[in-house]
Amino acid sequence: GAGVSQTPSNKVTEKGKYVELRCDPISGHTALYWYRQSLGQGPEFLIYFQGTGAADDSGLPNDRFFAVRPEGSVSTLKIQRTERGDSAVYLCASSSTSGGSTDTQYFGPGTRLTVL
Amino acid sequence: GESVGLHLPTLSVQEGDNSIINCAYSNSASDYFIWYKQESGKGPQFIIDIRSNMDKRQGQRVTVLLNKTVKHLSLQIAATQPGDSAVYFCAENTYGTSYGKLTFGQGTILTVHP
Repeated sequence: GAGVSQTPSNKVTEKGKYVELRCDPISGHTALYWYRQSLGQGPEFLIYFQGTGAADDSGLPNDRFFAVRPEGSVSTLKIQRTERGDSAVYLCASSSTSGGSTDTQYFGPGTRLTVL
Repeated sequence: GESVGLHLPTLSVQEGDNSIINCAYSNSASDYFIWYKQESGKGPQFIIDIRSNMDKRQGQRVTVLLNKTVKHLSLQIAATQPGDSAVYFCAENTYGTSYGKLTFGQGTILTVHP
């Protein structure tokens, strides 16, 4: 079956612009995670959704970052007034219906965001 | 070895050798650990996991060892193949959460020479 997909694969934007990054999780997965991976680093947790609600957004760096999942499937990560420091690969992962701590997370290929 | 800045630890092996990748984790209360493999341009791919009530777990060509006393995790890959070349990350689950809030280590670059 299809895995996690993310669009676009690459996004280049100018400082101050608004961007949206999309994630399509594996069908039936109710748990969805966003991570950010800077060059040479491991992924860092941003936000977790169980269904439509953001159950843990403690990893969002500031209020310029926001994510939604209105119908409990596709999620969009939104970044306002982008800064050069936002440049990174943004990864999305989903896991099975229970979303438990030991459920395997399946990652998408990521969106590489470059802020000029 | 140690890494500074953007320089990840690296491990270079010959095809057919066994590889050992090490990871020191941060939280003594973490109770679930995972190894991921990440190839260039792709997202992390699950390899194997282990819970804190175990000290060893084996998969196909891979073994994970957990030493809670010194907060150390290792991944052993038997008969390493060129397709194993990638960056390997260990991840731990934050204790007390009922979901997969993972904390990733820095990663190790594995290069397998034919």
